[in-house]
Amino acid sequence: GAVVSQHPSRVICKSGTSVKIECRSLDFQATTMFWYRQFPKQSLMLMATSNEGSKATYEQGVEKDKFLINHASLTLSTLTVTSAHPEDSSFYICSARPDRHRGKYQETQYFGPGTRLLVL
Amino acid sequence: GESVGLHLPTLSVQEGDNSIINCAYSNSASDYFIWYKQESGKGPQFIIDIRSNMDKRQGQRVTVLLNKTVKHLSLQIAATQPGDSAVYFCAENIAGYSTLTFGKGTMLLVSP
Repeated sequence: GAVVSQHPSRVICKSGTSVKIECRSLDFQATTMFWYRQFPKQSLMLMATSNEGSKATYEQGVEKDKFLINHASLTLSTLTVTSAHPEDSSFYICSARPDRHRGKYQETQYFGPGTRLLVL
Repeated sequence: GESVGLHLPTLSVQEGDNSIINCAYSNSASDYFIWYKQESGKGPQFIIDIRSNMDKRQGQRVTVLLNKTVKHLSLQIAATQPGDSAVYFCAENIAGYSTLTFGKGTMLLVSP
C-alpha cells in the first residue's frame, strides 16, 4: 500500500519549452502532496506544498510562475516547469500524505520514484 | 569506517555487520521523525518512524533510537546486506506543520 507514481520518469527537452510532471497516489487519497527538487549527492529541497482545491504554497525562493502546480483531484498533482532552462535540470520528486492514516501518523509522506529532467 | 565527502558522509561496512547511522536535528519543537532509504536514481522509501513520546522503535532488522535531550536520532540496521547500500535520510516534522525537513543524508556502502 501507499504507492505513489510519477510520470514521466525521464525527460529531455529544449530550452524554452515547458514540461509537465504528474504525481499520482495509486491506492490512497491525498489532499496534500509535496514537490521536491534534488541535486546530485544532496538532500531533498522542498519546493512547494500542493493542496487539492486551493493554491499551492511555495517555499521561499521558488518562483511560482516558473513552477506551476495544479492539484486537480485527490490523487493527482502536476508540476509544470515553464520555459525551462538548463539550470532547471534536476531530479524532481513528489510525495503524498494519505488522508487516512491507516495506523501511520498524519505527517507521513510517501514518495514517488522521481523524474529526471534534462534541459538542453 | 566513516568519512565525510564533499557533500555526503559515507559509512562503509562489511556484509553481516550491524550499521548505525546518526542524525542530529536542531528544532526542539519537532515531534515526529522518519527514516527514508534512497537508492540511486529512485525516490526515498519509508523505512521506520518514531514519535517524540517514544525513545525506541523496532522494525524488521531496523531500530530507531531517539534522544530528545541531545536532539539525536539514529538508525540501526542489523546484519547489513549489500541491498542495504543506499543513502539514508532522517526527516523531522515540527508539531503543527505539514512539511518535513530532511537531513543531509548518509551514504551506506556494504561490501560483500
